Amino acid sequence: DAGVIQSPRHEVTEMGQEVTLRCKPISGHNSLFWYRQTMMRGLELLIYFNNNVPIDDSGMPEDRFSAKMPNASFSTLKIQPSEPRDSAVYFCASSFFLGRAEAFFGQGTRLTVV
Amino acid sequence: DQQVKQNSPSLSVQEGRISILNCDYTNSMFDYFLWYKKYPAEGPTFLISISSIKDKNEDGRFTVFLNKSAKHLSLHIVPSQPGDSAVYFCAAMEKGAQKLVFGQGTRLTINP
Repeated sequence: DAGVIQSPRHEVTEMGQEVTLRCKPISGHNSLFWYRQTMMRGLELLIYFNNNVPIDDSGMPEDRFSAKMPNASFSTLKIQPSEPRDSAVYFCASSFFLGRAEAFFGQGTRLTVV
Repeated sequence: DQQVKQNSPSLSVQEGRISILNCDYTNSMFDYFLWYKKYPAEGPTFLISISSIKDKNEDGRFTVFLNKSAKHLSLHIVPSQPGDSAVYFCAAMEKGAQKLVFGQGTRLTINP
C-alpha cells in the first residue's frame, strides 16, 4: 500500500482565493483525520470522519473551512476565502478503529497564503 | 486549552547518551498514549504507545513511562543515535474515542 496520499505537496495562493487540499486514505481504513501543524499549537485536529461521516468538526477554525468525504477513498479540505494566517502544513491521517489503532499520516501539504 | 503539553520545545543530547522527552496532560479521561516521530518534510510516524493499565512499555531502544497520578509520561531513548534527530510528538486518546490529541512537539538533536 502506498500509504496516505496528499496533494498538492505545496500550494501558494493569494489571499482571498479558494484552496482545496486532497487526501486519499489507506485502503480499508475507516477513520480519516485532518490536522494542521503550527509552531504554537503543534498538531491541531481540525475534523475527523468515521465511515465517511463527519464525527467531530470542533477544531475547524472558522466557517471559511469545510471538509468533505464523498467516499471511503477520498477527502477534501477547502478554505474559502483563504487568509495569510491559514499558512501552515496540513496533514491528513487515516486509521482502522478496532480497539486501539495508531493513525498513519500523509506527507502533508504546505500552504502559503500571500 | 492545551490538553497535552510538551514544555520543552527543544532538546540536545550527545550520541550514545540517554534522551528523555517529557509530556504532561490534563484530561483524566485519556487512557491511551502514543509517541510520534517526525522528520522534516514528512508526516509523523508512529513510534510507541502505552495503555493506562500499564506504567511502562519497551520496544528496543525506546521506552515509554506513564505516571497516571502525575498525569505525566516520558519517552526514553537509549542509546541515542544521530538518526533519532527529529521532532517528537506526544499524543493521547480518550477511551472509546478515535481522535488523537497532540502536544506541540519537542525537537530532539543528537550531537555526534
